[in-house]
Amino acid sequence: AQSVTQLGSHVSVSEGALVLLRCNYSSSVPPYLFWYVQYPNQGLQLLLKYTTGATLVKGINGFEAEFKKSETSFHLTKPSAHMSDAAEYFCAVRTDTGFQKLVFGTGTRLLVSP
Amino acid sequence: EPEVTQTPSHQVTQMGQEVILRCVPISNHLYFYWYRQILGQKVEFLVSFYNNEISEKSEIFDDQFSVERPDGSNFTLKIRSTKLEDSAMYFCASKSSYEQYFGPGTRLTVT
Repeated sequence: AQSVTQLGSHVSVSEGALVLLRCNYSSSVPPYLFWYVQYPNQGLQLLLKYTTGATLVKGINGFEAEFKKSETSFHLTKPSAHMSDAAEYFCAVRTDTGFQKLVFGTGTRLLVSP
Repeated sequence: EPEVTQTPSHQVTQMGQEVILRCVPISNHLYFYWYRQILGQKVEFLVSFYNNEISEKSEIFDDQFSVERPDGSNFTLKIRSTKLEDSAMYFCASKSSYEQYFGPGTRLTVT
């Protein structure tokens, strides 16, 4: 069964600093991986996804993630944090059974200070 | 851009009452899902629906829950007799190929 682990329930950065949110996955088959962002009192918005092909994927709002099979990781990065990036970020893996539900990690809350 | 919509945005109900949460998926999508997120916790899968029947459900989705696609556009989640622990944000999602598109959620508060 697929699963994801997000290290760090909270990450704090200063505005302009590098953002790094960690996600490790477990999957017996090539995974499809996703990052979603949730702003306060809002729904889930897809940031980026990895399906096949290029291992470095770019998403919205300047975020990108790199799929590393050898490390079973899919960490999310952004070179320079902005105040508006403060939100909850969820890593998810699509299951390879049934109708491919998403299995989410526990989430990482990104705090950005001026 | 097409989007998934959900109504109501917030529902308050008393324990033991029935609630129906409504979703309008993206029109050409064929796969539909419900997830829930208890406050401060991760998003959990409830049920998936395809071709007018449940394709998979989690252990959370017991006999108190049901889903229906009553017409060509709506997708509903019914909780027959709500419990305090059903208080959560409920998200509907629909899928075409790879990615699921989520609605804004319905916050259900059971008192």
